[in-house]
Amino acid sequence: AQSVTQLDSQVPVFEEAPVELRCNYSSSVSVYLFWYVQYPNQGLQLLLKYLSGSTLVKSINGFEAEFNKSQTSFHLRKPSVHISDTAEYFCAVEGGGNKLTFGTGTQLKVEL
Amino acid sequence: NAGVTQTPKFQVLKTGQSMTLQCAQDMNHEYMSWYRQDPGMGLRLIHYSVGAGITDQGEVPNGYNVSRSTTEDFPLRLLSAAPSQTSVYFCASSPDRANTEAFFGQGTRLTVV
Repeated sequence: AQSVTQLDSQVPVFEEAPVELRCNYSSSVSVYLFWYVQYPNQGLQLLLKYLSGSTLVKSINGFEAEFNKSQTSFHLRKPSVHISDTAEYFCAVEGGGNKLTFGTGTQLKVEL
Repeated sequence: NAGVTQTPKFQVLKTGQSMTLQCAQDMNHEYMSWYRQDPGMGLRLIHYSVGAGITDQGEVPNGYNVSRSTTEDFPLRLLSAAPSQTSVYFCASSPDRANTEAFFGQGTRLTVV
């Protein structure tokens, strides 16, 4: 069985500041890792994913995440946030058994 | 393409009533799943299906039934609604396994009174 921990339930940040949303996982097998974003009153959308290969993965809108196997982490970062990045972000892991396990989510609130 | 379509968007039920949440996808995806989203708990997997005729339980299956008679449709049935089933329900589909990108519907907000 696998689990995902998102330590921060809310992260307030000013526009153009950097941000890091933390995600740690536990699994006894190799994992696939994901970040999904949920805008208000919408379903989730895939932001980026790590399946294999380079441990640093990037999204088209400037977010990046690095898979760190020794620390079992997959933190999400953006060097300069925009007001439109305000949303809830979910880290997820698939570690066999064909089931996706989500964290509890981090609400990112970007302020002017 | 419409993607993943969920109906209804909102529903109020009385305790003990039954209902079916509909989910349809037009992407010919093999893998479909149902989640419930509750404040502070993220998304929890209810049931999933790896193809027509095949379903399996997720993390919180009690009180829910599913069937998968076609590739396109994956309805979720509440047998006897309880206030604890008040939640937002999301249906998702993926091309094959759970480790490929999941496409989510807009959600169904269910209130059981």
